[in-house]
Amino acid sequence: GESVGLHLPTLSVQEGDNSIINCAYSNSASDYFIWYKQESGKGPQFIIDIRSNMDKRQGQRVTVLLNKTVKHLSLQIAATQPGDSAVYFCAENWGGGFKTIFGAGTRLFVKA
Amino acid sequence: DGGITQSPKYLFRKEGQNVTLSCEQNLNHDAMYWYRQDPGQGLRLIYYSQIVNDFQKGDIAEGYSVSREKKESFPLTVTSAQKNPTAFYLCASSPRQGATEAFFGQGTRLTVV
Repeated sequence: GESVGLHLPTLSVQEGDNSIINCAYSNSASDYFIWYKQESGKGPQFIIDIRSNMDKRQGQRVTVLLNKTVKHLSLQIAATQPGDSAVYFCAENWGGGFKTIFGAGTRLFVKA
Repeated sequence: DGGITQSPKYLFRKEGQNVTLSCEQNLNHDAMYWYRQDPGQGLRLIYYSQIVNDFQKGDIAEGYSVSREKKESFPLTVTSAQKNPTAFYLCASSPRQGATEAFFGQGTRLTVV
């Protein structure tokens, strides 16, 4: 079946460095790709999304890149801070917003 | 403050008992969702509802039931037919059909012993 997966389950970065979290997807019919952040014991929090007809979208300290040729999605976090430590999920969405598949998540550790 | 409230945060039940997880939102959102999260895995969709008195099965609906009698409330019942009910359950809502941003509650950790 269709799935969203991640290249790395754990990522450790130094405070102040940039972080890059990668994600592979398989559903070519997805309308949107979304990144969520989940802190320990809490529900996921929306970070940013990108429509399937875009290659890049920027938010506050975050950039999402979409490469449809190789079905790859990435989340770049600039100047990573301790508060960025969390599990990051990529997700793909289609069917008018009600069908969303989440990846397994990447745990980001930020070293002080 | 507006948001989604799940209760309780932790829940313990004996095997064979049905249990109902509460989810309430005051965001005036039309759509509501229930997800299950197991360790080291992503979120899997159990049920979703687009409007009051209507709901649809997600990918893993077997052993679960829901109701949507009010816009604000979307309770999930984990029945004895669910073979492996111990998990972290997350409720979410979104403001309109087609919206990509979902707002999640804090989750309920259910342990069946």
